[in-house]
Amino acid sequence: DTAVSQTPKYLVTQMGNDKSIKCEQNLGHDTMYWYKQDSKKFLKIMFSYNNKELIINETVPNRFSPKSPDKAHLNLHINSLELGDSAVYFCASSQDLNRNSPLHFGNGTRLTVT
Amino acid sequence: GESVGLHLPTLSVQEGDNSIINCAYSNSASDYFIWYKQESGKGPQFIIDIRSNMDKRQGQRVTVLLNKTVKHLSLQIAATQPGDSAVYFCAESKGYNKLIFGAGTRLAVHP
Repeated sequence: DTAVSQTPKYLVTQMGNDKSIKCEQNLGHDTMYWYKQDSKKFLKIMFSYNNKELIINETVPNRFSPKSPDKAHLNLHINSLELGDSAVYFCASSQDLNRNSPLHFGNGTRLTVT
Repeated sequence: GESVGLHLPTLSVQEGDNSIINCAYSNSASDYFIWYKQESGKGPQFIIDIRSNMDKRQGQRVTVLLNKTVKHLSLQIAATQPGDSAVYFCAESKGYNKLIFGAGTRLAVHP
């Protein structure tokens, strides 16, 4: 059983296009996140949602719009894709906002913008 | 094949030896710390965590040490196995479970 699943695993697209990445967790967690991992393996938080409410927005360009239809899903829509958006995007979830709550990550979506 | 991450600091150990991976964290106000393991093509996997009111915590074959005086965290892996080969990240929490990740260390285990 996959705890945090994201689709697609690979996404290749051209500059200027709009794309979405979907994420679902079956852990019953209240909080979900999007992280971006660059080519140097550096992981940086983008967004977090708690019970469908936006909690963290880390100065991400407004071309990135997360959407949480329910607490088990957090999708990421990206408009007008740019070359610099190429990265691996990880979805994660945690029990709640309690700081002692480990994050569970999906296996990532590798986005390549050409 | 994966070409990213080749310039990460690398720790090479012999199978069966103990490994120590070090991490310096940035915020003296952080009070929760986690170690993650990331294998190629996968997401980070939780290994062990520690709160700031502790200096040491042990898990199965792993020990995390926290030195708040110098803002240093270490992960010790006993009897390192080939399956331990991965990139290891430390992370600190600044509230609202907002994890700030370190740069990562690649562990290479040789038979």
